[in-house]
Amino acid sequence: QKEVEQNSGPLSVPEGAIASLNCTYSDRGSQSFFWYRQYSGKSPELIMFIYSNGDKEDGRFTAQLNKASQYVSLLIRDSQPSDSATYLCAVRGTDKLIFGTGTRLQVFP
Amino acid sequence: DTGVSQNPRHKITKRGQNVTFRCDPISEHNRLYWYRQTLGQGPEFLTYFQNEAQLEKSRLLSDRFSAERPKGSFSTLEIQRTEQGDSAMYLCASSSTSGITDTQYFGPGTRLTVL
Repeated sequence: QKEVEQNSGPLSVPEGAIASLNCTYSDRGSQSFFWYRQYSGKSPELIMFIYSNGDKEDGRFTAQLNKASQYVSLLIRDSQPSDSATYLCAVRGTDKLIFGTGTRLQVFP
Repeated sequence: DTGVSQNPRHKITKRGQNVTFRCDPISEHNRLYWYRQTLGQGPEFLTYFQNEAQLEKSRLLSDRFSAERPKGSFSTLEIQRTEQGDSAMYLCASSSTSGITDTQYFGPGTRLTVL
């Protein structure tokens, strides 16, 4: 079992819709969770982090964490074509980040 | 606040050659991480420093790989006797332990191609 699992996609949504990206992790003791966006050929860019159960909102982005289910998600409201990218879920290990393989999001006009 | 910088951005080398990459972290960040990313995969941890001390190395890290951060500022990653399997994007990230979550910010990466 991989430590951090994501559906590789692609996830295709129309412009203006809500995109829902999901991630599960295996280490029940994990405390901090991160979402990064990565455009093709570029490096990961931090979107947001979450460490408490529940929802955390930042503009069009909402991260959701459920530690009991070992599940973290990212919602993108009013999706735009510029949101088309790979979204990486990362869980903090001892100090390093453990990444999933990423979910490719395609937002079509 | 200038971001993390990495040089060179691209490196093409022949199998068996040595290569060295440099990373300059965000100023005042005391932690510096190296990751490697291949196509279709997430970044994979290689090693990290807190100030000048190397605190962890991945078990996957071959002894051909060595990293230094001599003065606790910039870091270098050297790969000796490169192999085609070393072709990847090498990412550097930095963070500060003074924050709540030790959030890591990535540089633009160095893309290595081994012929």
